[in-house]
Amino acid sequence: DVKVTQSSRYLVKRTGEKVFLECVQDMDHENMFWYRQDPGLGLRLIYFSYDVKMKEKGDIPEGYSVSREKKERFSLILESASTNQTSMYLCASSLSGVNYGYGYTFGSGTRLTVV
Amino acid sequence: TQLLEQSPQFLSIQEGENLTVYCNSSSVFSSLQWYRQEPGEGPVLLVTVVTGGEVKKLKRLTFQFGDARKDSSLHITAAQPGDTGLYLCAGAPQGGSEKLVFGKGTKLTVNP
Repeated sequence: DVKVTQSSRYLVKRTGEKVFLECVQDMDHENMFWYRQDPGLGLRLIYFSYDVKMKEKGDIPEGYSVSREKKERFSLILESASTNQTSMYLCASSLSGVNYGYGYTFGSGTRLTVV
Repeated sequence: TQLLEQSPQFLSIQEGENLTVYCNSSSVFSSLQWYRQEPGEGPVLLVTVVTGGEVKKLKRLTFQFGDARKDSSLHITAAQPGDTGLYLCAGAPQGGSEKLVFGKGTKLTVNP
């Protein structure tokens, strides 16, 4: 069964800490995404990667960075965690060609609480 | 900026009732996808529609893509408690971007 695996389901971090969220996919997908999901705001794209070492800012990249050293792994980094980064973080991957109908495969999410 | 507006935002119904969720935009999309998300989990793809006017059925769920490829609907017949979840529509923008545009979702609760 193909899957996207996020390293942690729940995470509690202190303000100012550097936080790493890891995502691994086993489907050889070119594209990988990081979203955050908040009530009333929907899914908001943080960063997108379309190839190894390639990345593109999404709608809300401030306070975040990403790393994609290998095709299967996409990491989200919170440089200095703040309480307004408390959220559900979702990783997704896809083959290229969403306009032809390819969909995203999502991980189960990481619920991050910053205290 | 392309937007997808979903309605209603919340829906609470009794088991056995029918319902329709709408996804509308002023923009044209190459394809339209529907996802369901259960609490504490990531969204799961239900269906993709790619042709204007296309209708797809998945058991009790019927999905339709508007003729102009600007809107879509999801109809559930005889809803069951297992249908409870957040339903998200997502559109693939014309021009080849791989970044889907997501609606904010419809939270459906089916009461036994």
